[in-house]
Amino acid sequence: DVVMTQTPLSLPVSLGDQASISCRSSQSLVHSNGNTYLHWYLQKPGQSPKLLIYKVSNRFSGVPDRFSGSGSGTDFTLKISRVEAEDLGVYFCSQSTHVPTFGGGTKLEIK
Amino acid sequence: QVQLKESGPGLVAPSQSLSITCTVSGFSLTSYDISWIRQPPGKGLEWLGVIWTGGGTNYNSAFMSRLSISKDNSKSQVFLKMNSLQTDDTAIYYCVRHGYDDYAMDYWGQGTSVTVSS
Repeated sequence: DVVMTQTPLSLPVSLGDQASISCRSSQSLVHSNGNTYLHWYLQKPGQSPKLLIYKVSNRFSGVPDRFSGSGSGTDFTLKISRVEAEDLGVYFCSQSTHVPTFGGGTKLEIK
Repeated sequence: QVQLKESGPGLVAPSQSLSITCTVSGFSLTSYDISWIRQPPGKGLEWLGVIWTGGGTNYNSAFMSRLSISKDNSKSQVFLKMNSLQTDDTAIYYCVRHGYDDYAMDYWGQGTSVTVSS
């Protein structure tokens, strides 16, 4: 199975700061069709995860443009340009190029 | 409005089986694949398996011997059955829809909590 490694485990930030989360896969996420199926989710306390970014850099419907994704191959990054209180929670990266797997999560919290 | 809602037993005795139903609305099971995901308390997410639009399935190899996923398109329901439960199967179980083109998990149910205990 593809192992997804997220860093950091915890990310203390001040409101208005930029935040950056890294996700690395144990093998390339480039599918034979040329697409890269790397996605990002946010799980707020007491809620189910919600899709933020799909296929590396595409914001899902309703996701603010302060969220952006980038990367290729095995290295990917999620950036939040100006953190707001509603952004706090646990962020997961996930891949569906191969049998789906998830990163361990990064908890975004107030410094 | 896309919705998925899981319903399960809450408590299962060790060695017994688990059955959960996912009822969907706002879309057809003949157009979207559905996966099951679980999350043990305070831990990360684990993919269990998927049922495709045509009814075929694919399972996480770790659960293949004791997991079954099926569906009833006419009732808009997807079913998970897992046998021989142990305490480490205690988790929140989610059904999720896969996006048509991107294959991200674009909509999630609220989850149903399952505790394995005597």
